[in-house]
Amino acid sequence: SQQGEEDPQALSIQEGENATMNCSYKTSINNLQWYRQNSGRGLVHLILIRSNEREKHSGRLRVTLDTSKKSSSLLITASRAADTASYFCATDAEDSSYKLIFGSGTRLLVRP
Amino acid sequence: EAGVAQSPRYKIIEKRQSVAFWCNPISGHATLYWYQQILGQGPKLLIQFQNNGVVDDSQLPKDRFSAERLKGVDSTLKIQPAKLEDSAVYLCASSPRLAGVYNEQFFGPGTRLTVL
Repeated sequence: SQQGEEDPQALSIQEGENATMNCSYKTSINNLQWYRQNSGRGLVHLILIRSNEREKHSGRLRVTLDTSKKSSSLLITASRAADTASYFCATDAEDSSYKLIFGSGTRLLVRP
Repeated sequence: EAGVAQSPRYKIIEKRQSVAFWCNPISGHATLYWYQQILGQGPKLLIQFQNNGVVDDSQLPKDRFSAERLKGVDSTLKIQPAKLEDSAVYLCASSPRLAGVYNEQFFGPGTRLTVL
């Protein structure tokens, strides 16, 4: 079963704009991770935020985590055409033998 | 550092045939995962190994799917016999940490299986 659900399912923006994707989950977690998947390729780990953290930055990425609302957001600033990909949140639930459960993803299109 | 290797990259078979996928994780990674990703969905964990032992195979359809990780390194995933609904990308991932310690995972390119 899906633990994380991303919103929106698809997003189209102009190069240079910011992109925000949201993830909601159901159970208590150890951490939440975001992955990117380019067309026809494997997933690449972007960032991990622990359950006791509220915000984390990595380059043009900013992730927030609100455990009271069981939600996270991924912000990509100053987007580039190369950011076009699917983005997945994955939760490492406390009661799941530390396996990752992925959401269904947000498909981001950055128009040049 | 070499990444996770998978082969073949593509496979087309007819239903009821058998197929096997191979994965070579990053050297030294203790934990290995197989995922199934159906088009338009997120990856779904099939099986998790820690060294050569199975940690979780609760979502592996054991009547047709099997996996092994001999000597705690390479792994193979087999489907026998295949069904149409097995058409998907099969992803292998590995993690350097033992289960339970913030397991960032490194993914291979995947094998795209089409069952006709």
